[in-house]
Amino acid sequence: LAKTTQPISMDSYEGQEVNITCSHNNIATNDYITWYQQFPSQGPRFIIQGYKTKVTNEVASLFIPADRKSSTLSLPRVSLSDTAVYYCLVGDVNYGGATNKLIFGTGTLLAVQP
Amino acid sequence: NAGVTQTPKFQVLKTGQSMTLQCAQDMNHEYMSWYRQDPGMGLRLIHYSVGAGITDQGEVPNGYNVSRSTTEDFPLRLLSAAPSQTSVYFCASSPGSGRPSSYEQYFGPGTRLTVT
Repeated sequence: LAKTTQPISMDSYEGQEVNITCSHNNIATNDYITWYQQFPSQGPRFIIQGYKTKVTNEVASLFIPADRKSSTLSLPRVSLSDTAVYYCLVGDVNYGGATNKLIFGTGTLLAVQP
Repeated sequence: NAGVTQTPKFQVLKTGQSMTLQCAQDMNHEYMSWYRQDPGMGLRLIHYSVGAGITDQGEVPNGYNVSRSTTEDFPLRLLSAAPSQTSVYFCASSPGSGRPSSYEQYFGPGTRLTVT
């Protein structure tokens, strides 16, 4: 399983763009990169996933360089409600192939201030 | 759709007691998983299932049993509760293998368990 490394915490202000980087040096060929968001007392919520280059949805963008050894979650113009823990996961869920396990690390606590 | 439901929401056990945490999903998902989250920590995978009748161990399986007799249900059994099992337990489901959407896990609201 590819191990991921993220900053423990980050601070930002409302209206700023926030970039959270995740390192995954041992990523395997079939692994996808997935990001989740967790608010206190709730289960995690899927944000975005990608394999390479750039993926964008209505919530965030995910940038993955060509070597795929890292990825960056970009949150545009954050608000107070974006204060949460953000998890980066790397894995392959193809049954019968590599691994079916998706492991959460300790995540990055993003604190957005007014 | 109700999504992923978990019962009970809260539970207090004495050391040595056993109990079953219930998890059900109505999205016809193949994959289901159980995680525990200790205060200030990330989630740790306990057991998971890739389909009815198929289960496997995660990172921290000791002290827990699971079974998957139907697609919808994935109960987690604590055999003999210990204070170290005090945690919040989350159940999750996802569509299945071989598709990018497999990575989108849907989580239940959690069960807060205290073992005294």
